[in-house]
Amino acid sequence: QKEVEQNSGPLSVPEGAIASLNCTYSDRGSQSFFWYRQYSGKSPELIMFIYSNGDKEDGRFTAQLNKASQYVSLLIRDSQPSDSATYLCAVSDTGRRALTFGSGTRLQVQP
Amino acid sequence: EADIYQTPRYLVIGTGKKITLECSQTMGHDKMYWYQQDPGMELHLIHYSYGVNSTEKGDLSSESTVSRIRTEHFPLTLESARPSHTSQYLCASSSRAGGPNEQFFGPGTRLTVL
Repeated sequence: QKEVEQNSGPLSVPEGAIASLNCTYSDRGSQSFFWYRQYSGKSPELIMFIYSNGDKEDGRFTAQLNKASQYVSLLIRDSQPSDSATYLCAVSDTGRRALTFGSGTRLQVQP
Repeated sequence: EADIYQTPRYLVIGTGKKITLECSQTMGHDKMYWYQQDPGMELHLIHYSYGVNSTEKGDLSSESTVSRIRTEHFPLTLESARPSHTSQYLCASSSRAGGPNEQFFGPGTRLTVL
């Protein structure tokens, strides 16, 4: 079983809709959770991180964390075609020296 | 402006050549990482460093080596390149000082070995 699981997609949403991206992780010791956006051929770009249960909002993005269910999600409100990219979930815990990345979900926002 | 740099951005080289991929950061970070990523695939950690003279191998077995003589510099070397080394190599850095350990990535080096 992979440590960080994401649906590969593609997830297709119309422009202006809410895109919901999900991620599950296996290590209960995980403490910090990150969402990265990666455009094709480019390097990952940090969108936001969360480490407390609940919601964290930053502009059009909301990260949600549920440690009991080992589940983290990213909501993108008012989706734009420029949001079309692969979204990577990453997890960190005190025992590891680096992040563990999921394989990413490809999002397509249709104009 | 604080940033993380990688050179070269693209490299096409023949089998058996020795290559060094450069990574430098001006962010004042102490932790640095190398990832390998094939197109459309996930990132795999190949090396990381907690500070000067500290290097560790990552999850993915790699024939490359790294060094960390200066805080800001973390080069990766392949002694004898092979076609199986063709991939994108991404360098990242993060700060140890408290916080959740978010990593920032350089632009990457796309390596092709013929």
